[in-house]
Amino acid sequence: KAGVTQTPRYLIKTRGQQVTLSCSPISGHRSVSWYQQTPGQGLQFLFEYFSETQRNKGNFPGRFSGRQFSNSRSEMNVSTLELGDSALYLCASTEGGPYNEQFFGPGTRLTVL
Amino acid sequence: DQQVKQNSPSLSVQEGRISILNCDYTNSMFDYFLWYKKYPAEGPTFLISISSIKDKNEDGRFTVFLNKSAKHLSLHIVPSQPGDSAVYFCAASEGDSGTYKYIFGTGTRLKVLA
Repeated sequence: KAGVTQTPRYLIKTRGQQVTLSCSPISGHRSVSWYQQTPGQGLQFLFEYFSETQRNKGNFPGRFSGRQFSNSRSEMNVSTLELGDSALYLCASTEGGPYNEQFFGPGTRLTVL
Repeated sequence: DQQVKQNSPSLSVQEGRISILNCDYTNSMFDYFLWYKKYPAEGPTFLISISSIKDKNEDGRFTVFLNKSAKHLSLHIVPSQPGDSAVYFCAASEGDSGTYKYIFGTGTRLKVLA
């Protein structure tokens, strides 16, 4: 099985712009979660989608949004970028049950100038 | 409020010795715990998990111990190898409540010295 893929791998944007990141889960996985990783903060949970519905959301401002398509692919959007949004954004997929391990993609490194 | 804490940012161990990575949590509703390893420029990879109905789970060189009363878990790697050098994250979830949300610690950087 192919792993979780994320595109693009690297992005450079300027403050005020918006960005869309994409994640394709492992075939058959219906749950996709997004995380932000910054130095010293670990992985901060953004949101989780299952069958096109957001099931859970972390404590991030409304500038961070996401969606999931019928083929389980997911996108994450960040509007009005701030310098502090510079981070590694990771997505992870699971089959969707409560006791499943998550499989992570390689991440998208976003730099905001 | 950091519900999952890894208080040691880094750890150095000699090759062949035991590595012990620790993790504490505050939410008594957590019932499923996982450890991940992360190399630079890669996503985290799953290592081992444990359900709250167990106090130990073993997989090859990796053993996870769970002490529910202390809200503490640890990952033991025996024997440690240079290829184990990476950042290790512990994570927890409230599987029984159906929140489908994994809370991660801040990570411990393990360096295994040859």
